[in-house]
Amino acid sequence: QVQLQQSGAELVKPGSSVKISCKASGYTFTSYDMHWIKQQPGNGLEWIGWIYPGNGNTKYNQKFNGKATLTADKSSSTAYMQLSSLTSEDSAVYFCARGRWTGRVHYFDYWGQGVMVTVSS
Amino acid sequence: DVQMTQSPSYLAASPGESVSISCKASKSINTYLAWYQEKPGKTNKLLIYSGSTLQSGTPSRFSGSGSGTDFTLTIRSLEPEDFAVYYCQQHNEYPLTFGSGTKLEIK
Repeated sequence: QVQLQQSGAELVKPGSSVKISCKASGYTFTSYDMHWIKQQPGNGLEWIGWIYPGNGNTKYNQKFNGKATLTADKSSSTAYMQLSSLTSEDSAVYFCARGRWTGRVHYFDYWGQGVMVTVSS
Repeated sequence: DVQMTQSPSYLAASPGESVSISCKASKSINTYLAWYQEKPGKTNKLLIYSGSTLQSGTPSRFSGSGSGTDFTLTIRSLEPEDFAVYYCQQHNEYPLTFGSGTKLEIK
């Protein structure tokens, strides 16, 4: 069965970077886009972007350009998101989710469990 | 960006009742709307996509309707496991955007 296993919670200092992971299993990793989504209490869900592990292509929400960098390692079926220059506004739960394509853009048929990132000195 | 307005934000109902959740888009998204269920300790679950297509495994008591800017998720004959938070998401254009969620609680 499809599973997306995310890495553990992170406590990081302002101004630093963090890299979180999402290990996929149960399907061909290189055949589906992997998306990342941010959830803050009171701010709902925000789409960050996607990476297609088959060729490394990416697409970002303009709001997260320069903040998030998406990569993927085909050999381990793992997607990564690095967040840089962290501030308190980046404290959130971050989800990975597998994208499905309808001929327009994506919805998400499987989600990871989420990673809480806390930015604090 | 397409703004998604979900209502109500909170809904209390009893098992066996039927409920409806509304999701309105700031511009036409054709029929490209998905619905998700969020429950504590579980990963988010896709219920419906393209407005009315049930994802495999979604119980038939769930239904989605609408097109253009107005969409509805209806749950008939609520089961105890249906009490959760529900989100809508437009999948018509980038950036993908979500509604703010509806928390369905037991009355």
